[in-house]
Amino acid sequence: AQRVTQPEKLLSVFKGAPVELKCNYSYSGSPELFWYVQYSRQRLQLLLRHISRESIKGFTADLNKGETSFHLKKPFAQEEDSAMYYCALKAGTASKLTFGTGTRLQVTL
Amino acid sequence: DGGITQSPKYLFRKEGQNVTLSCEQNLNHDAMYWYRQDPGQGLRLIYYSQIVNDFQKGDIAEGYSVSREKKESFPLTVTSAQKNPTAFYLCASSTGQGNYNEQFFGPGTRLTVL
Repeated sequence: AQRVTQPEKLLSVFKGAPVELKCNYSYSGSPELFWYVQYSRQRLQLLLRHISRESIKGFTADLNKGETSFHLKKPFAQEEDSAMYYCALKAGTASKLTFGTGTRLQVTL
Repeated sequence: DGGITQSPKYLFRKEGQNVTLSCEQNLNHDAMYWYRQDPGQGLRLIYYSQIVNDFQKGDIAEGYSVSREKKESFPLTVTSAQKNPTAFYLCASSTGQGNYNEQFFGPGTRLTVL
């Protein structure tokens, strides 16, 4: 069975500092990885997906199959980045996702 | 702010009672999902449905039941058999197809068992 691990429950950084939210997965096949974000008082929403290789709100994530990781990075944190971040994996043809336990990012002045 | 709606926002239930949470979507999505969100445990999949009149158990289906009689609707019943039902419940939907299978989430229902 597939599994997603986010080792940090809370990550606190200063504004302007680099951010890296860790995500590791276990799955025997070829996975699709996603990052979802939940801002305060807002719905959970998709931030980015590995297959698109895009940068959203300055965030990027690269799928490293050798290390089975999909870490989320941003070079300079902003206050509005404070939120709950979830890494998720889609395995095979089924549409369901397996989520990690989430990391709360706190950006302080 | 249409898309996916969940009702009610807050729900209180006495022990031993069944309760049904509503989830409706107007996105014409084939697939719908129910998750439970608990502090420190992330989102855990309860049930999902990839097409009308069909659904599958997720990781924590015990004590829950669902139906999918209409494409737009995927109600979740929390039965008295669910040992720890107090939680935040999230419904989501997606096209269910292809690689760009983004899930869209509702605002959630907070269930409290008294």
